[in-house]
Amino acid sequence: AQRVTQPEKLLSVFKGAPVELKCNYSYSGSPELFWYVQYSRQRLQLLLRHISRESIKGFTADLNKGETSFHLKKPFAQEEDSAMYYCALKTDSWGKLQFGAGTQVVVTP
Amino acid sequence: SAVISQKPSRDICQRGTSLTIQCQVDSQVTMMFWYRQQPGQSLTLIATANQGSEATYESGFVIDKFPISRPNLTFSTLTVSNMSPEDSSIYLCSGLPGQGDEKLFFGSGTQLSVL
Repeated sequence: AQRVTQPEKLLSVFKGAPVELKCNYSYSGSPELFWYVQYSRQRLQLLLRHISRESIKGFTADLNKGETSFHLKKPFAQEEDSAMYYCALKTDSWGKLQFGAGTQVVVTP
Repeated sequence: SAVISQKPSRDICQRGTSLTIQCQVDSQVTMMFWYRQQPGQSLTLIATANQGSEATYESGFVIDKFPISRPNLTFSTLTVSNMSPEDSSIYLCSGLPGQGDEKLFFGSGTQLSVL
């Protein structure tokens, strides 16, 4: 069965501290994974995807097929990183996404 | 990047009535998807809206309850029919440009409350 698991509902970190959001997936095919972010009063938007191997706003995520994980990391959290983060798995060639439950990140000064 | 205008942004409706949500994209997109986000939960895909054909519904969602239209490559509607309080949710439309652009983008959502 296809599944995306984000075990942490809430992650509270201090400004300047590292932050890591966990995401594990279950998928029989070749996985394509994304991180989406929703800032307060803004629409959901793409943060990054594993295919691009990019770093956006200091965030990186590496696909680990052995551990079936796609954790999101940032070495030094900023207050503007406070948001809801969703891990998502592409489940077909049309582009359908299955989302995890989401992790609320709160960065305190 | 493309922008979706979704309306209404919120509505309060009486049970038994229907509400139609509209999404207008400022450029042509190959695929559009409709999601629901119930209170405190993640996004759940309702259906995939294809231009010129019937929508494809996910398990647990049916056309009679959530009829969808996709008359062209820039517009889609979702109707929530015969509403009950259990339909209270945020409804989101999204678009996928296609042709190599795999970045799914979202409308701002419709907050629906059913009394």
